[in-house]
Amino acid sequence: EVQLVESGGGLVKPGGSLRLSCAASGFTFSPYTMNWVRQAPGKGLEWVSSINGRSNYIYYADSVKGRFTISRDNAKNSLYLQMNSLRAEDTAVYYCTRDLAVAGRYYYGMDVWGQGTTVTASS
Amino acid sequence: QSALTQPASVSGSPGQSITISCIGTSSDVGAYNYVSWYQQHPGKAPKLMIYDVTSRPSGVSNRFSGSKSGNTASLTISGLQAADEGDYYCSSYTTRSTRVFGGGTKLTVL
Repeated sequence: EVQLVESGGGLVKPGGSLRLSCAASGFTFSPYTMNWVRQAPGKGLEWVSSINGRSNYIYYADSVKGRFTISRDNAKNSLYLQMNSLRAEDTAVYYCTRDLAVAGRYYYGMDVWGQGTTVTASS
Repeated sequence: QSALTQPASVSGSPGQSITISCIGTSSDVGAYNYVSWYQQHPGKAPKLMIYDVTSRPSGVSNRFSGSKSGNTASLTISGLQAADEGDYYCSSYTTRSTRVFGGGTKLTVL
C-alpha cells in the first residue's frame, strides 16, 4: 500500500524550532517530487515547499523562505521539514504529499497525502 | 504569492450540475496547463480529482471534469451526489516554479 506517514509535530513557543519527518512506503521514493502543504485551523490549503528526487530543485513559499528547510534521504525513504523561527501563523496541520506519476511521466498534481501532523506555535 | 480566487460556497440538488471557478493570473493559471483540483471531506486529507486542467486520476468518477479559459479554471461536477459534499480547492503551478492554492469552495448538496 502506498503510504506517507508524518511525525514530529507538537507544541512549540514562538521563535522555537521543530523538525517534521515523513516516512514513505509502498512505492519507489527516489524519483518523485515531494511537497509539504499546510492547513491552518479552519482555513484553506497552503503550499509550503517542494523538492525533486535529486534534491537539486527546491522551492519555498514566500511565507516560510529563510526559516524553513526541506530535505530528503532517499536511502531512508524519508522527507523532512526543518522549521526555525516559528511564528503563531505557522500553526497548522502539515501534510506530506507526493506528485503524481503516470507511465513514467511526472505531473504537478499531488496524488498521495499523509494524514498530517499538527504544529502549534504558542506561548 | 496571492491565493487563487474561488467562490466561498456553491450548492446544488442531487442530480444537478455545478461549476466552481478558480481565477488566477498570467503568472499561474494562465501560464501553463498545470491546474489541479482537490476534494476534502471534514477531518480528512485532500484527494486529487483533476490534474493538468482536464485529466482525471485513475479511480475518479467521470462526473468530475475540468476546463480552463485564460486565467480562469473551472471544475464541473455533474449528476451531483450527497457524497460530493465537501470543500474543493484548485491549485496551479506558477512561473516561479512554486505552487499556489485557491481559498477553497464549500459545496453543499441540498
